[in-house]
Amino acid sequence: SQELEQSPQSLIVQEGKNLTINCTSSKTLYGLYWYKQKYGEGLIFLMMLQKGGEEKSHEKITAKLDEKKQQSSLHITASQPSHAGIYLCGADRSGGSNYKLTFGKGTLLTVNP
Amino acid sequence: DADVTQTPRNRITKTGKRIMLECSQTKGHDRMYWYRQDPGLGLRLIYYSFDVKDINKGEISDGYSVSRQAQAKFSLSLESAIPNQTALYFCATRGRISTDTQYFGPGTRLTVL
Repeated sequence: SQELEQSPQSLIVQEGKNLTINCTSSKTLYGLYWYKQKYGEGLIFLMMLQKGGEEKSHEKITAKLDEKKQQSSLHITASQPSHAGIYLCGADRSGGSNYKLTFGKGTLLTVNP
Repeated sequence: DADVTQTPRNRITKTGKRIMLECSQTKGHDRMYWYRQDPGLGLRLIYYSFDVKDINKGEISDGYSVSRQAQAKFSLSLESAIPNQTALYFCATRGRISTDTQYFGPGTRLTVL
């Protein structure tokens, strides 16, 4: 089964600081999804990466996929309290069709004003 | 209105009781999923369905059953609830294309006493 390791498990930053969250797979990544979750609430889709070297941005959040390293990184620039929450990565374990996702355990981000 | 709804949002029940969690979607998606989320364990797949006649077990299906009443409805049942089924339960849907986004419902917080 595909295992996804997220690092760090938790992160506390001061408002305005940049930060990076990593998601590393034990198997080849065919598709990588990033979600954000407010504590105890639903998951909000951020972005999906499918090709090696692909990079996507949404507002101040940028995600990259390094297929060779079997890793994706999520970078937040100039963090704000609104960025606080749990970030989860999910990856396809079905060989490319993306019909069954495995998720990492999440990274808890705290942004102090 | 939300695209993926779950009812109830919160439920407290006793050991041995039968519980049904319901999920409805207005996205017209064929694929529907049930996950549970536990602290430190992340999201784990319970059951998934590709259409009304195609239902599959996920990684932790023991103690659970599902029913796909229609394309838009997917219910999860706990026939005889036990305390270690206390968790946050999420329904999700997605389309058939590999690059489709997987959308999550708001979650049901279930407590089994």
